[in-house]
Amino acid sequence: DAKTTQPTSMDCAEGRAANLPCNHSTISGNEYVYWYRQIHSQGPQYIIHGLKNNETNEMASLIITEDRKSSTLILPHATLRDTAVYYCIGRRGTSGSRLTFGEGTQLTVNP
Amino acid sequence: EPEVTQTPSHQVTQMGQEVILRCVPISNHLYFYWYRQILGQKVEFLVSFYNNEISEKSEIFDDQFSVERPDGSNFTLKIRSTKLEDSAMYFCASQLLLYTEAFFGQGTRLTVV
Repeated sequence: DAKTTQPTSMDCAEGRAANLPCNHSTISGNEYVYWYRQIHSQGPQYIIHGLKNNETNEMASLIITEDRKSSTLILPHATLRDTAVYYCIGRRGTSGSRLTFGEGTQLTVNP
Repeated sequence: EPEVTQTPSHQVTQMGQEVILRCVPISNHLYFYWYRQILGQKVEFLVSFYNNEISEKSEIFDDQFSVERPDGSNFTLKIRSTKLEDSAMYFCASQLLLYTEAFFGQGTRLTVV
């Protein structure tokens, strides 16, 4: 699985967009980019994933660069409840493929 | 909304005892996983399970660990002889198909004393 690099921490003002970057320069052609988050010690929560194209769902948008070496998760209107550790993960789309969690980015949304 | 359910939420056990952690994956999901997170550390993959057999396991998943899907709904993780270092949050996850997202349960906090 591709090694991903994320900033250790970020801050965002409530109501503003939170843009979380991720570098994955070694990602292979069949690896998807997944984003999860974890609030305190709760179970990781799925946010979004993509392969090549930009993706959007009710939670967030995922922007993947054309060379696929980096991506950005966008939370359009951050709330206090979005304070969490956000993980960017490269994952092969093969049977039994594990999610390899790194340290992630601690996002703190401030009032 | 369907969810992965884990029981118990907290279990305390004596060192050397056997424990079984239980999970009810989302109905009709086909892929099942166990992860663990030692306090203050990263979430670590333990094992994946598909078609009634282990698909992949990590180096953590040694002979002390086993998984089973005893019926059509439950997915269990057994630790035969618990050690102090097995104390952690254990998360179960399930996934419908390849290329789809895995959904996690809220975890079981295992404390070995």
